[in-house]
Amino acid sequence: DAGVTQSPTHLIKTRGQQVTLRCSPKSGHDTVSWYQQALGQGPQFIFQYYEEEERQRGNFPDRFSGHQFPNYSSELNVNALLLGDSALYLCASSSQGGDYGYTFGSGTRLTVV
Amino acid sequence: KNEVEQSPQNLTAQEGEFITINCSYSVGISALHWLQQHPGGGIVSLFMLSSGKKKHGRLIATINIQEKHSSLHITASHPRDSAVYICAVTPYMDSNYQLIWGAGTKLIIKP
Repeated sequence: DAGVTQSPTHLIKTRGQQVTLRCSPKSGHDTVSWYQQALGQGPQFIFQYYEEEERQRGNFPDRFSGHQFPNYSSELNVNALLLGDSALYLCASSSQGGDYGYTFGSGTRLTVV
Repeated sequence: KNEVEQSPQNLTAQEGEFITINCSYSVGISALHWLQQHPGGGIVSLFMLSSGKKKHGRLIATINIQEKHSSLHITASHPRDSAVYICAVTPYMDSNYQLIWGAGTKLIIKP
């Protein structure tokens, strides 16, 4: 049973560019949450997607946007990249009406230069 | 005051020692999660608890709902257990919304 798959694993971008990160949830999960984890810090909640809609959002600017597809996979898009966007981006999947369990991906390490 | 507090913040121990990491929370919860993160790595879910005790290998997690407290124990610790251990909760009546995270406990096990 595949867990959460994130791609790519590492990415280097230049300031001002745009980036798209991808997440495939665990089989049977229908909800995807995205987190940003700066070096040495705890994860910060970006947003959560369920039924192809953004259901809750953390304190992140509109440069951060997302999408969920009918197969429950999700994308995180960041526009106009800043140096401060360099971080590990984590995806977690869960199931509505499930047992509250979360499965995390290994993350995408984004470096903005 | 954070809604989820962990202690200690840092812990260094010798191989073989019994390790305890504590987590206290101030909100009603549907579940409590213990997570592990190795340096530069992703997060691995170790346990999800809503009551009682769970054991997996050398890891044991307990929760006391009345006292709003949970502990993670590691028996016969090993250098490969070195990682950050994070306590997080799913708030009650807010299930599957964002987790509330503790600050993490950085554990170093010396050979």
